[in-house]
Amino acid sequence: GQNIDQPTEMTATEGAIVQINCTYQTSGFNGLFWYQQHAGEAPTFLSYNVLDGLEEKGRFSSFLSRSKGYSYLLLKELQMKDSASYLCAALDSNYQLIWGAGTKLIIKP
Amino acid sequence: IAGITQAPTSQILAAGRRMTLRCTQDMRHNAMYWYRQDLGLGLRLIHYSNTAGTTGKGEVPDGYSVSRANTDDFPLTLASAVPSQTSVYFCASSAGSTSTDTQYFGPGTRLTVL
Repeated sequence: GQNIDQPTEMTATEGAIVQINCTYQTSGFNGLFWYQQHAGEAPTFLSYNVLDGLEEKGRFSSFLSRSKGYSYLLLKELQMKDSASYLCAALDSNYQLIWGAGTKLIIKP
Repeated sequence: IAGITQAPTSQILAAGRRMTLRCTQDMRHNAMYWYRQDLGLGLRLIHYSNTAGTTGKGEVPDGYSVSRANTDDFPLTLASAVPSQTSVYFCASSAGSTSTDTQYFGPGTRLTVL
């Protein structure tokens, strides 16, 4: 079956760095998305990786290892507004997104 | 540009009633999607449409129907609501369907079935 695993909740301190991991098992693979979702709001796109390696975009970076079925989202210089859920989603061979349950990130002052 | 709009924002519905959730996008996207989001679970695809005039079933289609008469609108209908359909429903769209295009989400409809 198809499966996405990510931690349920993480806590970090304002100004610090946090890494949110995601492992996936899908029938075929066409890339890995990360979305941010603030409480009560819609998910918004953060990043897309299809090749191995690190993609940096400001304070946020996303890494992919296709051979390991593994990705992580790295958030630097954490701000209180980064408190949100982070959703990992893999695009399968039919170009359908398989979603993880999300990681709730709590930022403490 | 509004992007994607959904209506209603929230609704409380008696079991057995029929309900249509509305979704409209103004980005001229070809593909549209309906998801439900439940606590502790990932977003689950209900139905999708790759282009106007076509629809397909997602992971959890039972009890739901959709239509795609034009590019902009993609309504989701619950023919006879049941309490297990209590959820937050998100509509999304993307420029293409057989590509890696980003999906853009509407603000969601919070539905409670009693």
